[in-house]
Amino acid sequence: DTEVTQTPKHLVMGMTNKKSLKCEQHMGHRAMYWYKQKAKKPPELMFVYSYEKLSINESVPSRFSPECPNSSLLNLHLHALQPEDSALYLCASSQNGQGSTDTQYFGPGTRLTVL
Amino acid sequence: AQSVTQLGSHVSVSEGALVLLRCNYSSSVPPYLFWYVQYPNQGLQLLLKYTSAATLVKGINGFEAEFKKSETSFHLTKPSAHMSDAAEYFCAVSNFGNEKLTFGTGTRLTIIP
Repeated sequence: DTEVTQTPKHLVMGMTNKKSLKCEQHMGHRAMYWYKQKAKKPPELMFVYSYEKLSINESVPSRFSPECPNSSLLNLHLHALQPEDSALYLCASSQNGQGSTDTQYFGPGTRLTVL
Repeated sequence: AQSVTQLGSHVSVSEGALVLLRCNYSSSVPPYLFWYVQYPNQGLQLLLKYTSAATLVKGINGFEAEFKKSETSFHLTKPSAHMSDAAEYFCAVSNFGNEKLTFGTGTRLTIIP
């Protein structure tokens, strides 16, 4: 099973709302990633968790708050977002993360719209 | 620093024709190179990857790519295009010990019936 699941598929929120995106994998992978993808653009890395510890934060604004409760689950907490944060948010996982030959398996994404 | 450049943001080929999507890389150390495909409203799926073993890499769906160090290239090819190949294709690079995957700007492939 090489599946990464993401919920919800679509999310519409106001600028004052608090919401969370959820990502789950059951492949025993120890590295998990959040990417942001704007329309007609490549994915941009936001965060990397390796062995449940935050290892990379690509200078993401604090209104995005990642959380890795366990090795199978990754959350992205959203608060006070701006309309320009509307995008497809992709989660990925890989076996280890330290070795860059690892394949990253992507979920289908959450389409976020901020009003 | 590592980066990839994809030449051609849009490529159109006729069904049954050769598919050639171009990718050139820049890396100060030996790179690891990947091709991903993204169908509309979906996540990314790995087509193939080069990890310093064989320079000709075969992937899924009949795609293959050849690593050419002298040309710093990793072009993606498929002998005969199928309608189902219509999608966005991303080339990506990483380096040993670096978890970060850097993507190119993507090439949208259109198949003409």
